[in-house]
Amino acid sequence: DGGITQSPKYLFRKEGQNVTLSCEQNLNHDAMYWYRQDPGQGLRLIYYSQIVNDFQKGDIAEGYSVSREKKESFPLTVTSAQKNPTAFYLCASSLIQQGAGQPQHFGDGTRLSIL
Amino acid sequence: AQSVAQPEDQVNVAEGNPLTVKCTYSVSGNPYLFWYVQYPNRGLQFLLKYITGDNLVKGSYGFEAEFNKSQTSFHLKKPSALVSDSALYFCAVRDPFSGGYQKVTFGTGTKLQVIP
Repeated sequence: DGGITQSPKYLFRKEGQNVTLSCEQNLNHDAMYWYRQDPGQGLRLIYYSQIVNDFQKGDIAEGYSVSREKKESFPLTVTSAQKNPTAFYLCASSLIQQGAGQPQHFGDGTRLSIL
Repeated sequence: AQSVAQPEDQVNVAEGNPLTVKCTYSVSGNPYLFWYVQYPNRGLQFLLKYITGDNLVKGSYGFEAEFNKSQTSFHLKKPSALVSDSALYFCAVRDPFSGGYQKVTFGTGTKLQVIP
């Protein structure tokens, strides 16, 4: 079955540590996204990518970094500069077709906590 | 700038009764509108979308939504609620004429509780 796989499901970060969240899709989607979900705040866009080797900052990119070396993969690194990293992180992907209103497909998330 | 509002943090409904989850939006042109559902510790699942055409859109699991341009609303409905419908529901909007990357803006979510 096609879909998006996020790993790990739970992750703990120590002070001063960078951690990387994995996101892999086999839907052959061009666009991929990272969102942060906090209770009562909905989803906030961290980074997005529409093509390999290119990505753009979203609304809350500070303290995060990404790469897009392969179409299938879009890992997110939460750096030590992100002072409040505790959240539920969601990866999504979609087709890019003008006028087609393609929905986003989501993985099952990674819950990051501070030790 | 586009925005979406879900005015109710939580909606309670008895099993078997009709349910409505409200959503209003603001975009500069004609919107693309979406509803997603999220179960605990899971990602969002797409339910339905409005792009153009018939104002009543049917989606997965018996859900439907009514697009009302004059009221800028896109309320989610179901004729008969099930306990298994209890989840967090998100409305989302996209401006198809924004050019380049078409950002999706999500609402803050409405928790639906179906009471047996």
